[in-house]
Amino acid sequence: ETGVTQSPTHLIKTRGQQVTLRCSSQSGHNTVSWYQQALGQGPQFIFQYYREEENGRGNFPPRFSGLQFPNYSSELNVNALELDDSALYLCASSPPFSGESRQYFGPGTRLTVT
Amino acid sequence: GQQVMQIPQYQHVQEGEDFTTYCNSSTTLSNIQWYKQRPGGHPVFLIQLVKSGEVKKQKRLTFQFGEAKKNSSLHITATQTTDVGTYFCAGLAGGSYIPTFGRGTSLIVHP
Repeated sequence: ETGVTQSPTHLIKTRGQQVTLRCSSQSGHNTVSWYQQALGQGPQFIFQYYREEENGRGNFPPRFSGLQFPNYSSELNVNALELDDSALYLCASSPPFSGESRQYFGPGTRLTVT
Repeated sequence: GQQVMQIPQYQHVQEGEDFTTYCNSSTTLSNIQWYKQRPGGHPVFLIQLVKSGEVKKQKRLTFQFGEAKKNSSLHITATQTTDVGTYFCAGLAGGSYIPTFGRGTSLIVHP
């Protein structure tokens, strides 16, 4: 069973640029959520995708957008990067509803905006 | 919106001492989850509590869910250096499938 994978591991971007982060969900999982984790903070929910549709969104501006593909992998896009976007971006997948809503997290992408 | 507060933010203990972290929600929860994140790592699911007053144990870890389903605690007995990390609670309000994470408690164990 392959776990959740994310790419790239680390990324350095300049303010104003755009970035795309990628996530492959765990085998059999059809739901993918993205979180932003600033240093010393808990993960903050960005949005969730289920069957290629956005299924919930946290308090993030529209320049944060995403996609889910038919194989359930996902992308997070951030436009017009700001310094405060520097954080660990975590992708988490979860299986079809089974009464437990646990999240299986990937290793994350560390984004630094300079 | 729903808020989940966690205390303390940091806890230093000597190896062998006990440790407890507390989680409080501004709203009644349908369930609460606990995760552990090792330094440089990602959150790993520990447990989910669903029932009012529920208590679950995993070896030296004891998890409790309050009677009002608004608070929870994690207690570690006789800490070991392998317990080092940040422990997060994540609460789900009724009808929601999106957990709200607390800020976490970072446990530092001194050998």
